[in-house]
Amino acid sequence: DIQMTQSPSTLSASVGDRVTITCRASQNIGSWLAWYQQKPGQVPKLLIYMASSLQSGVPSRFSGSGSGTEFTLTISSLQPDDFASYYCQQYHSQGDSFGQGTKLEIK
Amino acid sequence: EEQLVESGGSLVQPGGSLRLSCAASGFTFSDHYIDWVRQAPGQGLEWIGRARGKALGYSTDYAASVKGRFTFSRDDSKNSVSLQMNSLTTEDTAIYYCVRRNRAGGGLDVWGQGTAVTVSS
Repeated sequence: DIQMTQSPSTLSASVGDRVTITCRASQNIGSWLAWYQQKPGQVPKLLIYMASSLQSGVPSRFSGSGSGTEFTLTISSLQPDDFASYYCQQYHSQGDSFGQGTKLEIK
Repeated sequence: EEQLVESGGSLVQPGGSLRLSCAASGFTFSDHYIDWVRQAPGQGLEWIGRARGKALGYSTDYAASVKGRFTFSRDDSKNSVSLQMNSLTTEDTAIYYCVRRNRAGGGLDVWGQGTAVTVSS
């Protein structure tokens, strides 16, 4: 099974900050990676797929990069609506897996 | 509107069984894989499996944590997928989501609202 490790687990930041969340895969997954945002009490929302493709309707301040085993999600200028939990997911193999999540908190 | 609606969640005793259903509307169901993802209280997301359409023989994949206990059944003529869960343990307590996989490069792009399963005596 492919293990996905996100860092940091918790991130404190302010409105307007640029933030980066990292996701590492235990083996090469090419570009088969997605990022999700989840707010308390809500279902997850797809932000990025194929490592860097922005899902329709997602603001352009979100971007994804990376390939192979290391990936990043960047929010260029944090907005109040962005404070949430973020998860990466690999779908390279028949057994998908998620990272443990990163909680983005207001500083 | 593209939509997935789960049902069937409830309280069940350890060792028991439960069947969840997922009904789709607003899109061509047969074109998409349907995945199941669960989230234990206060925890992260866990992928538990996938059901492919009739064109791919209704084939399935399962996470190791549920393989042999959980079974997906899909009927493209009814735009539905069900999840049969057997030998339930307290570790299976979670909200269960059925989710559509995006055809254009993957990613899970349409989520149901989830249905809660509690395994407790």
